[in-house]
Amino acid sequence: GQNIDQPTEMTATEGAIVQINCTYQTSGFNGLFWYQQHAGEAPTFLSYNVLDGLEEKGRFSSFLSRSKGYSYLLLKELQMKDSASYLCAVNRGSTLGRLYFGRGTQLTVWP
Amino acid sequence: GAVVSQHPSWVICKSGTSVKIECRSLDFQATTMFWYRQFPKQSLMLMATSNEGSKATYEQGVEKDKFLINHASLTLSTLTVTSAHPEDSSFYICSARSAGATGELFFGEGSRLTVL
Repeated sequence: GQNIDQPTEMTATEGAIVQINCTYQTSGFNGLFWYQQHAGEAPTFLSYNVLDGLEEKGRFSSFLSRSKGYSYLLLKELQMKDSASYLCAVNRGSTLGRLYFGRGTQLTVWP
Repeated sequence: GAVVSQHPSWVICKSGTSVKIECRSLDFQATTMFWYRQFPKQSLMLMATSNEGSKATYEQGVEKDKFLINHASLTLSTLTVTSAHPEDSSFYICSARSAGATGELFFGEGSRLTVL
């Protein structure tokens, strides 16, 4: 089985920085994804980490520590449109795309 | 960029009927597709892995006779919810991976099923 934990809700103000943490316990770990999902819509890809370290992409960065079973998504210069659910997903096994999702962190950005 | 399309986006059906949902990769060949289910305010749950030309691999607890998956071509996978009941009402989302060891993964727009 797998346990993927992330906070249920977070709030922040425009222009701020927020870090969303994700811890996991799983067998056959083969990478970790972060997705953004607005209500009623499909998830959109944000980042993918398979090796330890930080991946930066514009206002979004993602970090992975495989030994600690830990990842975080860092969002900088927050905008109102960043209000959404952020999903941490672990890829299990050799089949890329076989994802197991956490329950998601609902981020609300206030003006 | 690559697009994965699902049809229908919304479907309402009577209890006991079967519903088919299509997942198409529009500009790439998808050797592998995945089907997820999402209940309100919950995360996505992987149901099955669909491989072109072979039987789907179902996750533990998912009834393969109730959720029929067919991946007959490199651009189309279908999910049929047989004898649907109200508890099957959910948001069904597919994802598709382009061919190759490091193929990118794309999600469809989702299909919302409501069983009356």
